[in-house]
Amino acid sequence: QSALTQPHSVSGSPGQSVTISCTGTSSDVGNYNYVSWYQQHPGKAPKLMIFDVTKRPSGVPDRFSGSKSGNTASLTISGLQAEDESDYYCCSYAGSYTWVFGGGTKLTVL
Amino acid sequence: QVQLVQSGAEVKRSGASVKVSCKASGYTFTDYYMHWVRQAPGQGLEWMGWINPNSGATKFAQKFQGRVTMTRDTSISTAYMEVSRLTSDDTAVYYCARGCGGGSCYYVHWGLGTLVTVSS
Repeated sequence: QSALTQPHSVSGSPGQSVTISCTGTSSDVGNYNYVSWYQQHPGKAPKLMIFDVTKRPSGVPDRFSGSKSGNTASLTISGLQAEDESDYYCCSYAGSYTWVFGGGTKLTVL
Repeated sequence: QVQLVQSGAEVKRSGASVKVSCKASGYTFTDYYMHWVRQAPGQGLEWMGWINPNSGATKFAQKFQGRVTMTRDTSISTAYMEVSRLTSDDTAVYYCARGCGGGSCYYVHWGLGTLVTVSS
């Protein structure tokens, strides 16, 4: 069970769009539509932003969207705002009742 | 409202064990699995495993098998996670999160985390 691969960091200016990738294998991301994304501010518990690849929990702005192609899932944040600056983690079902997280991506809003 | 209240910070010596608790409220404890996730300082989230509070069944990530135990006390709606043979690599914040048993499973509700520091 290797961690999913995410870029260490991404950045964008306010109002722009950024996309964070999450690459797994055919045993996890590629085999199930059960990818979720979490936002984590320093010293805080993670917050669910996307589940089941594309679904958004109530209360999460529609600026956040998810997608998947093959073994790679993506989180896109459009209309970047200063408050979006945070760490983001993907998580995928990996079969056999196990899950795996990505290594995390630090988003900087310039 | 759903709440997961975790026990306080711990400092342990290498080789010792630590047991973290997670008290659930605001829902039926036995209706949802409890997952555990840890985060070492400056590092990412790491899935550890889950316990089914209804049956007591557990599942662990491969790296934790044999060294992590998960139990529950349904009478007080509390889940426990114990790590034995601690090393400095186990220094981390340990989170409980309400989850499920398979497939479409995601974490809406999290505890605030318990910092476990392992010193030599």
